[in-house]
Formats: sequence, C-alpha cells, structure tokens
Amino acid sequence: AQKITQTQPGMFVQEKEAVTLDCTYDTSDPSYGLFWYKQPSSGEMIFLIYQGSYDQQNATEGRYSLNFQKARKSANLVISASQLGDSAMYFCAMSLTDSWGKLQFGAGTQVVVTP
Amino acid sequence: DGGITQSPKYLFRKEGQNVTLSCEQNLNHDAMYWYRQDPGQGLRLIYYSQIVNDFQKGDIAEGYSVSREKKESFPLTVTSAQKNPTAFYLCASSTGDTVSGNTIYFGEGSWLTVV
Repeated sequence: AQKITQTQPGMFVQEKEAVTLDCTYDTSDPSYGLFWYKQPSSGEMIFLIYQGSYDQQNATEGRYSLNFQKARKSANLVISASQLGDSAMYFCAMSLTDSWGKLQFGAGTQVVVTP
Repeated sequence: DGGITQSPKYLFRKEGQNVTLSCEQNLNHDAMYWYRQDPGQGLRLIYYSQIVNDFQKGDIAEGYSVSREKKESFPLTVTSAQKNPTAFYLCASSTGDTVSGNTIYFGEGSWLTVV
C-alpha cells in the first residue's frame, strides 16, 4: 500500500520569503499522480498543483512549484514570495493511476506566514 | 459557476440517528468520492463511485452508505452504526480519466457533530 510522509508538522515563514514543504511517498507502482492541496481554517480543500509520475518536467502553477525527485520518491512544494493569505494547512497526496481518485494523504504541514 | 456543492455546512446529530450529507457537482465529472477528516489529520476515503449506479467501499466504509442514482449527485448517509461520526466530511470529484491524470476537486465540506 502506498504511504505519504510529511515530516514538518508546522513552520513559520516571513512574508515575501520562499518556503519548501517536504513530502516523501512510498509505492511500488510505476504510475501515479502527486497532488498538493491547501486547507485554510475554513476547511475547504483547495487544489494547488499536480505532478504525474511520468512527467519529465517539474510542475509549476504561479507561485507554486513542485520539486519532483522520482528516485528519492520526494515531491516537495515550494511557495515563492509568501503572502499572509498563504497561512494554512498543506497536504501532499498521491493517487495510483489504476485507482484514480483514491487519494492517500499525508498528515499535513501547518504554515504560518508572519509580517 | 462550476463546482462541487456540499450541504449542510454544519450538522448536529443525536446519537442513534441517521443523517445524510448532500454532494452535488455540475462539472460533468464521472467519478465522485467521500472523504473523512478528523482533527489534525489527513483525509481518509469512505466510498467512491466511478460511474452512475456503481460505487465501491474505501478504507473506512463501516457505518456509512451511499447511492449514485444521478451523475451529479453522490449523497452520504452516516448511520447509527458509525461509532464515532463526529468529523469533517469532504466530497470530491474528477473526470475519472486516468490517462491524463485529471485533477481531483473538493467541495467546501460538511461538519458533523454528534450531540
């Protein structure tokens, strides 16, 4: 069974600085997708970025980029130029291609952006 | 506006009662999912449906039931058999097309409290 590990329970980052959130995964299946979601205190789960296991380039979406290191089985999220509105819980998740949508989530990282 | 609508946002249930959470999507997605989130934790899959009139159990299906009579609707019933139903419930959907790795979107969630 696949497993997602987020080792940082919480972190503080200063406004306008970049922050890297760690995510490692474990699966023997060669075909999978990796997701990052943001969950503010209101509860909704907001999709941020996606990386497929066969994608050659690292995914980017605005201020978000995913540092995908397949051999190390890591998929770290980088948020550039942090804003106060980035304060939230961030979850890394994975879905195998042959069971798409059955997401396995990490425990999350709480990010607090300070002025 | 396309999206996933969950209702109610907050629900209180007495012990021994069944309660149904609504999930409606107008994204024309084939696949829909129900997840449960406990405080400070990631999400866990309850049930999922990849096509109308078909659904499968997820990792924690005991005490829950679902139906998928229409493509746009996937209600979740929390039965009295669910031992610890107090949690945050999130509905999600995707096109179900595993080849292109389509994004999995979430609704805003429903908070269920047993009193």
